[in-house]
This record gives sequence, structure tokens and C-alpha cells, in this order.
Amino acid sequence: AQSVTQLDSQVPVFEEAPVELRCNYSSSVSVYLFWYVQYPNQGLQLLLKYLSGSTLVESINGFEAEFNKSQTSFHLRKPSVHISDTAEYFCAVSPPNSGAGSYQLTFGKGTKLSVIP
Amino acid sequence: EAGVAQSPRYKIIEKRQSVAFWCNPISGHATLYWYQQILGQGPKLLIQFQNNGVVDDSQLPKDRFSAERLKGVDSTLKIQPAKLEDSAVYLCASSIPTGGTANEKLFFGSGTQLSVL
Repeated sequence: AQSVTQLDSQVPVFEEAPVELRCNYSSSVSVYLFWYVQYPNQGLQLLLKYLSGSTLVESINGFEAEFNKSQTSFHLRKPSVHISDTAEYFCAVSPPNSGAGSYQLTFGKGTKLSVIP
Repeated sequence: EAGVAQSPRYKIIEKRQSVAFWCNPISGHATLYWYQQILGQGPKLLIQFQNNGVVDDSQLPKDRFSAERLKGVDSTLKIQPAKLEDSAVYLCASSIPTGGTANEKLFFGSGTQLSVL
């Protein structure tokens, strides 16, 4: 079984400041790692994912996350946030090639990022 | 491309009543998921379908919850009878299974918010 811990339920940050949203996971097997974002009144959207290869993965809107196997972490970072980044961010894990070949995600409780003008 | 459609958007019922939610996945998506998201928590997988067959329903409270996907396209999730603790957002997601490869992605609907009074 897997579990995900997001240590911060809310993170306020000023516009153009850097931000880090923390995620730690627990699993007895190797996992795939994901960050999803939920903007107000919208559905969950995939932000980025780590499956294998380079431990640093990037999204198209400037976020990046680094897989650290020894610390079982997958923290999300952005060097300069914008008002439009205000949303709730969920870290998730999945065992590789689970079930019918599709991901079975276990989510953390989420971190609400509030960008202050 | 049309997204995952869910209805109703909101539902308020009294405990012990029954309720049903509907989901229409993206055309061609063989895999369909129902997730339950309780306030302050991350989404929890309830059931996963591949076409009209159940892949995983280990976390579905089968004494009161049921789900079906008779023709392998749209799906309904039913609760009968509802309890106060069923108050949550019920999310539907769909994907094309590709054996867990890097190209696979889940698409989420906006959810149905259920309040049980």
C-alpha cells in the first residue's frame, strides 16, 4: 500500500516570490509520482509526473519537481509565482502498470496555494 | 475535445435517502474511475472500470454504494441509503489505458458536490 503526506495544508506567498510545496510518500514498491492542480471551480488537471529517467521534471507553466528516492520526496517548486497560480495542488502516487495498465492514484490531502498581490 | 461530463453539479439530500450521479467520459476512453473527495482530503478511488468490467472496487462501500457501466461508455454511481459521512465531491475520471506508459493521462470531470443533511 502507498500513502502520501503533504505537510502544508495552506501556503500563502507574495507574487513573484518563490514557493515550494512539500510531498513525501511511503511505499514498499517503486512508484510513479504526480502533481495535480485544481483551479477554483475546475476539475483536477495533471501538472507534471515522474515515471523514470531524470529525477527533475518540469511543467509547461514553470513548475518543477524533483524525485528524491532516499528521502522519499517529490517537492514542487516554482521560482516566481503569479496570481494565476492560486489553486489547490495535490501530490499523488501510483504503482507502475497497476490493474488494467492504468494508474491507480493515491492522493495526498492537498496544499492550497494563495498568491498575494 | 469535449471533457468528462458529470451531472448533477450539486445535490442536497437527507440521510437515508438515495442519490445517483452520472458520468460521461471522453469519447474513446475505455477506463473510467469514480473518486470520492471529502472536504479537506485528497480524492480516494472508489471504483475503476475497464470498458464495462470492474477492475478494482476494493474501496467501494458495497453495502450502500453501487456503480455500473453497462455499455462501456457512461456510468452511474448510486448511494442507498446515504449517510452524513457521504457528504463529499464525487469525481469521475477517464483515460485510454496504454499499459502505464508515459503517454497516459487521466482527465477529471468537475465533480458532483453531495451534501447529506
